[in-house]
Amino acid sequence: GQSLEQPSEVTAVEGAIVQINCTYQTSGFYGLSWYQQHDGGAPTFLSYNALDGLEETGRFSSFLSRSDSYGYLLLQELQMKDSASYFCAVRGVVDSSYKLIFGSGTRLLVRP
Amino acid sequence: DAGITQSPRHKVTETGTPVTLRCHQTENHRYMYWYRQDPGHGLRLIHYSYGVKDTDKGEVSDGYSVSRSKTEDFLLTLESATSSQTSVYFCAISDSIHEQFFGPGTRLTVL
Repeated sequence: GQSLEQPSEVTAVEGAIVQINCTYQTSGFYGLSWYQQHDGGAPTFLSYNALDGLEETGRFSSFLSRSDSYGYLLLQELQMKDSASYFCAVRGVVDSSYKLIFGSGTRLLVRP
Repeated sequence: DAGITQSPRHKVTETGTPVTLRCHQTENHRYMYWYRQDPGHGLRLIHYSYGVKDTDKGEVSDGYSVSRSKTEDFLLTLESATSSQTSVYFCAISDSIHEQFFGPGTRLTVL
């Protein structure tokens, strides 16, 4: 089967850097995605890693290590608007090639 | 933003009544998904479709059925609603699977 683990809550200060970790177990592996969801809103896609290494998109970066079944989302120069929930999601191979399995989410609170 | 709408946006119904939620897309994406989201559980997949009339179960499919008779519409039906199905329901569309575009959600309350 598939499972993902991520911290339930993280708090950081405006302007700081925060890292949200995600470890996964899956039968086969296509890639790791990250989504952001503000309270009352819909999830929105942030990034996708299929290969090892760091992918950067503006203030957000995502990292993947397939050998460690581990990834993280890095948010730099935190802003108040970054307060949201962040979900990692994995696309497996066996029995799940058409779908994503989501983690339970990490609630990020950015303080002034 | 992807053209995806859900209807209704809010619904209150009584236990035992049938309920149908509609997801409509204008993007011609191949894959469509129904998720439910409850506090502490993240997004859980109910059913998904990988083409017209091609559907499969997700992790929480009991009590739900789906239909996709054309590319743009994906219907989720609760045959006999129960209080445990009170939730926020999201539809999503995708061509790549890993990048999904979500609709605004439907808040369903079953009394």
